[in-house]
Amino acid sequence: KAGVTQTPRYLIKTRGQQVTLSCSPISGHRSVSWYQQTPGQGLQFLFEYFSETQRNKGNFPGRFSGRQFSNSRSEMNVSTLELGDSALYLCASSAGDPEYNEQFFGPGTRLTVL
Amino acid sequence: AQSVAQPEDQVNVAEGNPLTVKCTYSVSGNPYLFWYVQYPNRGLQFLLKYITGDNLVKGSYGFEAEFNKSQTSFHLKKPSALVSDSALYFCAVRDWSAGNMLTFGGGTRLMVKP
Repeated sequence: KAGVTQTPRYLIKTRGQQVTLSCSPISGHRSVSWYQQTPGQGLQFLFEYFSETQRNKGNFPGRFSGRQFSNSRSEMNVSTLELGDSALYLCASSAGDPEYNEQFFGPGTRLTVL
Repeated sequence: AQSVAQPEDQVNVAEGNPLTVKCTYSVSGNPYLFWYVQYPNRGLQFLLKYITGDNLVKGSYGFEAEFNKSQTSFHLKKPSALVSDSALYFCAVRDWSAGNMLTFGGGTRLMVKP
């Protein structure tokens, strides 16, 4: 089975621009979660989707949004980029209920905001 | 208060010696606890979890963790460390009081020296 894939792997943007990141979960997985990883803040939860419904949202501003499609693929969007948005964005999928099932992580998208 | 804490930024151990990576949690109710490992330039990989049942949980690559309710701890252990175990280790907990999101500790870098 193919693992979680994220595209693009690397991205360079300038302040004020917007960006869309894509995540394809493992086949059959219906749950997708997104995390932001930075050296200063560590791993922070962004969103959790299950069967196209957003179940949880982390403490991030409204500039961060996401969605999940009927094929379980997910996208997250960041508008009006700020320097502090530079980070590794990780997507994870899980089979069944993500509350007690392990998550499988993709390699991440490294976003650099100049 | 932080839901999950990893008190050590780095743990150094000699190859062949036992290792312990510490994790304490602070959530109400029954915690769902997880350990993940991150190798350089990679996403996170699941090691083990505690949901219910036996306090000693066995996971991947010879790792195990002991759930201790009275000490609110979930320390990761391995009887004999390998150089290839050198990586960043994250403890995580489902935080019901924070919207049921998966909250990660700050991470502990494990260095195993030959």
